[in-house]
Amino acid sequence: EAGVAQSPRYKIIEKRQSVAFWCNPISGHATLYWYQQILGQGPKLLIQFQNNGVVDDSQLPKDRFSAERLKGVDSTLKIQPAKLEDSAVYLCASSLGSLPTDTQYFGPGTRLTVL
Amino acid sequence: LAKTTQPISMDSYEGQEVNITCSHNNIATNDYITWYQQFPSQGPRFIIQGYKTKVTNEVASLFIPADRKSSTLSLPRVSLSDTAVYYCLVGGPNTGGFKTIFGAGTRLFVKA
Repeated sequence: EAGVAQSPRYKIIEKRQSVAFWCNPISGHATLYWYQQILGQGPKLLIQFQNNGVVDDSQLPKDRFSAERLKGVDSTLKIQPAKLEDSAVYLCASSLGSLPTDTQYFGPGTRLTVL
Repeated sequence: LAKTTQPISMDSYEGQEVNITCSHNNIATNDYITWYQQFPSQGPRFIIQGYKTKVTNEVASLFIPADRKSSTLSLPRVSLSDTAVYYCLVGGPNTGGFKTIFGAGTRLFVKA
């Protein structure tokens, strides 16, 4: 089966610019996650969707980050305006459901560099 | 949600068994313990999950004592390709679903 797709794989922007990342989860997976992984750290959950509804966005910096999952399938994560500290890998993951036994499948990530 | 503590790094040699212990003193009754593996420039990959006692699959074993305040991931006969970061997660319910938190992970370096 096809895995989680993300694009672009790499992005370089200057601070105060905007950027958007796209994620296409595994077909049939109801739950979609966006994580931010700063170099040397574990992934930090930014937002979790169940179908097209937000389950958890407690760690999403809402003044600059936004995410949507239209029609409960693919999703976009946007940063506007970007700051230097936003340099990180942004990982998208999906799972069949949101039960403890549901495995999260991760995409390859988008590496963002903010100059 | 329960916080996890793991060693920052470990070294091993090819062919050895590696045991990585994770401490999760505040684990809740309905929390599961899950381990992921992450190679450089890739997203994490599920290794194993358990609730109590012992779980084994084709990749690893997971040992969970009765009090569930810790767990140990056991990798039998590691090879160079097992060099990666290993994350222990403890997941519990959140509104509408289930939430997991990644810690800093354990960097395993396997030498020839």
